[in-house]
This record gives sequence, C-alpha cells and structure tokens, in this order.
Amino acid sequence: GAGVSQSPRYKVAKRGQDVALRCDPISGHVSLFWYQQALGQGPEFLTYFQNEAQLDKSGLPSDRFFAERPEGSVSTLKIQRTQQEDSAVYLCASSYNMDTQYFGPGTRLTVL
Amino acid sequence: GENVEQHPSTLSVQEGDSAVIKCTYSDSASNYFPWYKQELGKRPQLIIDIRSNVGEKKDQRIAVTLNKTAKHFSLHITETQPEDSAVYFCAAIRGNNRLAFGKGNQVVVIP
Repeated sequence: GAGVSQSPRYKVAKRGQDVALRCDPISGHVSLFWYQQALGQGPEFLTYFQNEAQLDKSGLPSDRFFAERPEGSVSTLKIQRTQQEDSAVYLCASSYNMDTQYFGPGTRLTVL
Repeated sequence: GENVEQHPSTLSVQEGDSAVIKCTYSDSASNYFPWYKQELGKRPQLIIDIRSNVGEKKDQRIAVTLNKTAKHFSLHITETQPEDSAVYFCAAIRGNNRLAFGKGNQVVVIP
C-alpha cells in the first residue's frame, strides 16, 4: 500500500517568511509524529498526535512552530517567521500501534 | 529523558564480511528498540525492531540482540553487500511514543 507522503519535498524560504509542511500518513494509522533532522544527525522529536488530539508538543523548539491534524488524518506543520536555524529536513511518521513508526520522505527546508 | 548513543560512528567492511553496530540507552524503562536504515536523501526505513521481552530477533541477513541488564542493543548484518552501505540509526522508546534516536552510524561496504 501507499506509504507516508510529504509535500513539498523541498522548500526554500526567505528569513521571516511563514511555511507550511504537509504530511499524509498511511491510511488507518491513528498516530502521527513530526521530527526534525539536522544534517548528519538523527531525527529529533517535535510533536505527536493520536487521531486529531495533539498529545505531546514538548519537542517544538519555539512558539513559532505549530502543528495541527484537524480531522485525524492529514497533518500540517507550520513555521512562522522562519529563521536560518530552522533549516533542516522535517520528517513525518505514522504508526498503527504505539511504537512502530514508518517515515515519509521528508521536506528539506532551507531558510536564506 | 532517554539518551541513545551509537558506536562506532563510521564502519567500513569488506563485502561479504559481517558488520556490528552497538547502541546504548539510558532509560531502563525503555521497551522498544528499532533500527532504521537511511540512504542519502531518502527516508529512514525500518529494517528490524525488538521489544524488551525478547533477547534476539533475526530477519534473513539482519539480526538484533538486546541486553537489558547492560542497557545496550546491537545490529548484526551478515554477508554484507554494497547496497547495505547507508547510515543506520538506532532508537529507543519507553511507551510515551517519542522515539529517541542515536546520531547514526555510517556503514561503508567495500566491494
């Protein structure tokens, strides 16, 4: 079946712009996760949804980061007033149980 | 929170030899340990996982062993092939759903 998809795959933003990154999880997966992966590093947890409820947002680095999943399926990660340190690959993962997570291809964000 | 470390950071092996990567974790309550393979520019791909009630799991040329007492788990790749060249990430979770990843191991299989 179809895996996790993300769009756009690449995004270039000028410092100060707002961006929105989309994640389509595997159909039927109730859990959805966002991670940030800096170059040469492992993914770092940002936030977690179970259905439409955001159960953990402790990994979001600042209040410029906001995530939503209003209907319990597609999720959007929004970054306001982007800064250069936001440049990274943003990975989305979904899960049918509490732990086994399948990743999307990521969105590479470059902030100039 | 959970702290996961991987060793060595880079591993080069001759094609056909075995590769072993070790991970240590800090939280004794962690109960699920996946390994992901990530090729350059691609998504992390789940290759094998193990739960805390099992000591070893094998899937064809890949195996994972877990030592809960010492808080470490290892990935074993036998009969390595050039397509095994990638970055491998270990992770741990303790039921709160947030995976804690290591920094990754670059494995290079020399033909």
